[in-house]
Amino acid sequence: DGGITQSPKYLFRKEGQNVTLSCEQNLNHDAMYWYRQDPGQGLRLIYYSQIVNDFQKGDIAEGYSVSREKKESFPLTVTSAQKNPTAFYLCASSGLSGGVNEQFFGPGTRLTVL
Amino acid sequence: AQSVTQLGSHVSVSEGALVLLRCNYSSSVPPYLFWYVQYPNQGLQLLLKYTSAATLVKGINGFEAEFKKSETSFHLTKPSAHMSDAAEYFCAVSEGYGSARQLTFGSGTQLTVLP
Repeated sequence: DGGITQSPKYLFRKEGQNVTLSCEQNLNHDAMYWYRQDPGQGLRLIYYSQIVNDFQKGDIAEGYSVSREKKESFPLTVTSAQKNPTAFYLCASSGLSGGVNEQFFGPGTRLTVL
Repeated sequence: AQSVTQLGSHVSVSEGALVLLRCNYSSSVPPYLFWYVQYPNQGLQLLLKYTSAATLVKGINGFEAEFKKSETSFHLTKPSAHMSDAAEYFCAVSEGYGSARQLTFGSGTQLTVLP
């Protein structure tokens, strides 16, 4: 089945540690996205990528880094510079469907900093 | 810049009653509009989308939404609520061109369905 996978589902990190969240898609989509979700705040865009080896900062990129070495993969690293990393992280991808930017989402990773 | 406002962070309805979730948008160009649903600890699932074709859009699970340009609204409705509709709903707007047009999301509305 085509879709987006994120791993792990739950992740615990000690303060001061970097951690990498995985996102893989087999939908052959060009664009991929990372969002952060906090209660009552909706989704906020961290980074997005339109093509391999290219990515742009979203609204809240500070303390995060990404790479896009393969079309299928868009891992997110939460660095120790991120002041409040505990959140639910969602990965998404999109192609072009009649010109509409319809995004498909993965199941999410819940990160907790201890 | 685009933005989305969802009126009412929590909405409660009785099973079988009408569901109405409100969404107003701001966009400098004709927008594309979306409604997504999220169940606890899961990703978002697309309910429906407006792409400048018909103003009344039908989606999955009996939901529909009407695009009203004069009111800059895209409210989500369902004639008869079911217990399984209890979830969080997000309205989103997209503008611009290219393969990675960004979505801007509202803050969400938590729908509770009472027996």
